[in-house]
Amino acid sequence: DVKVTQSSRYLVKRTGEKVFLECVQDMDHENMFWYRQDPGLGLRLIYFSYDVKMKEKGDIPEGYSVSREKKERFSLILESASTNQTSMYLCASSFQNTGELFFGEGSRLTVL
Amino acid sequence: QQPVQSPQAVILREGEDAVINCSSSKALYSVHWYRQKHGEAPVFLMILLKGGEQKGHEKISASFNEKKQQSSLYLTASQLSYSGTYFCGTDTQTGANNLFFGTGTRLTVIP
Repeated sequence: DVKVTQSSRYLVKRTGEKVFLECVQDMDHENMFWYRQDPGLGLRLIYFSYDVKMKEKGDIPEGYSVSREKKERFSLILESASTNQTSMYLCASSFQNTGELFFGEGSRLTVL
Repeated sequence: QQPVQSPQAVILREGEDAVINCSSSKALYSVHWYRQKHGEAPVFLMILLKGGEQKGHEKISASFNEKKQQSSLYLTASQLSYSGTYFCGTDTQTGANNLFFGTGTRLTVIP
């Protein structure tokens, strides 16, 4: 079975803390993505990566950064968490040229 | 760049049909459809490519009107298992697979 694994299902952090969300895929996919999902807003793209060490901004990159040092791993970093970053974060991966996205189960982050 | 989905929510009885629409303000290379059940990850249903190629899912079909920048998802003879939130994702760049998702349509099928 293909798999996208996110490191934490639930996290609670305080305002100003640094937060790492990790995602690992076992399908040798070139593309990896980070989305956030909020009620009524759907899934919004934060960052994506086409290859190791490459990253591109999505719709809402402000307040986030990413790292892709290995093909299978894509990390989302919140340098200084704020309450408006409380959300469900979904990682996804795909082959490079138009194919289905495989999603992880999500990481629900609460920032107090 | 977020596409617009309609309706926002729909309730069906088992066996009834439904149509979910997705509209973009930009020219589209492809449209993806996903279903998400409560507490689970979104799961791929279908992709429609510019030029008419279609990959599908049994009992669920879709159309893609490139000129109107619209796609519709057709669910026929709905089953209880069809309940969930349906998202369309649009790709405006050739082969980039960089999707922008709509806000979702919540479908509830009741006995």
